Amino acid sequence: EVQLVESGGGLVQPGRSMKFSCAASGFTFSNYGMAWVRQAPTKGLEWVATISYDGSSTYYRDSVKGRFTMSRDNAKSTLYLQMNSLRSEDTATYYCTREVGVLDYWGQGVMVTVSS
Amino acid sequence: DIQMTQSPASLSASLGETVTIECLASEDIYSNLAWYQQKPGKSPQLLIYDATSLQDGVPSRFSGSESGTQYSLEINSLQSEDAATYFCQQHHDYPWTFGGGTKLELK
Repeated sequence: EVQLVESGGGLVQPGRSMKFSCAASGFTFSNYGMAWVRQAPTKGLEWVATISYDGSSTYYRDSVKGRFTMSRDNAKSTLYLQMNSLRSEDTATYYCTREVGVLDYWGQGVMVTVSS
Repeated sequence: DIQMTQSPASLSASLGETVTIECLASEDIYSNLAWYQQKPGKSPQLLIYDATSLQDGVPSRFSGSESGTQYSLEINSLQSEDAATYFCQQHHDYPWTFGGGTKLELK
């Protein structure tokens, strides 16, 4: 059974940093691209970033370029998202997803609140 | 960026009815479209991929169709468990973009 379990998240002040992780199981992690998708409270879905199966390529939405870094450790089947210079508009639930073009499996999500 | 215009934003229907949700892409996305269902407090789940292909385990009352840059999700014989918000997503070009969502309520 495919499982994606995020950890981390919480309350952080504007301008500060946060990093969370996503532990994958139930599939060969190193064979798949992965993505982060976020959802602001009561809002729709917004793709954030994608990383290729081997970590050699990453793609980011413009609003997070230069601030967020997505990475992976295939030996540990773990995905990471390092978020710097956080803004109030980054407040959202962040979902770890397996990406095969479409997003076929989703984690339960981790909430990040950026507020002073 | 490719814009996905989803309609309606909300709808209400009765058990057993058929409903249709639509997404209009701002340019040709070559059938690279997915539909997701999200129930309150839960993560989204993939229903349809490549515009018309049903994801494993999804009931056959869900179906997708396309006409040019217009994509549709049809739900036949509505069941109580279909009450949810539905999103379309294009995966033709980065940034992947989603429709604004359709909240389906059962009468």
